[in-house]
Amino acid sequence: TQLLEQSPQFLSIQEGENLTVYCNSSSVFSSLQWYRQEPGEGPVLLVTVVTGGEVKKLKRLTFQFGDARKDSSLHITAAQPGDTGLYLCAGARYSGGGADGLTFGKGTHLIIQP
Amino acid sequence: DTGVSQNPRHKITKRGQNVTFRCDPISEHNRLYWYRQTLGQGPEFLTYFQNEAQLEKSRLLSDRFSAERPKGSFSTLEIQRTEQGDSAMYLCASSFTGVQYFGPGTRLLVL
Repeated sequence: TQLLEQSPQFLSIQEGENLTVYCNSSSVFSSLQWYRQEPGEGPVLLVTVVTGGEVKKLKRLTFQFGDARKDSSLHITAAQPGDTGLYLCAGARYSGGGADGLTFGKGTHLIIQP
Repeated sequence: DTGVSQNPRHKITKRGQNVTFRCDPISEHNRLYWYRQTLGQGPEFLTYFQNEAQLEKSRLLSDRFSAERPKGSFSTLEIQRTEQGDSAMYLCASSFTGVQYFGPGTRLLVL
């Protein structure tokens, strides 16, 4: 059972537009991680957010962790065709000094049209 | 390249055959994870190891699936008597501090 809901599932926009994707959970996680995945490849880590209310920026990407550590958002400014991909959020819990298996959302398929 | 590597990258097999996949984690990463991803879905956790000990197994890991990490380095995932529903991308990840880094995956097609 997927505990993380991502929205929208699909998004197709023009180059230069802004967009936000959301990741919502009914559970609290120790941290949330955002990955980007291209067809036929494994997910590539973009960022980890740990503290409630935390905001992290990665060039044109802004990630926010909700105050209650149950939801997160990814905002992309001035989207470019190279941003096209599957964006996945994943919740992590920790035990024994390391992370347990991640819980992933279904992902947001993003297409940026030139 | 010192990232996570997986072999083979692609595997086509007939229903009922056994298959084995290999994962080589990032050097000195003590935790190694296996996930399965079907089309249109996010990855689903299968199992993970800390060094050579298998610490957790998901309910998705049926009796036909077995994973090993005998020396705490590389790991293998075996599927016995494959079924068409086993067709998926099998992903491996490793970590040391908690952040998981993924390999390129092995795509399995069961005919």
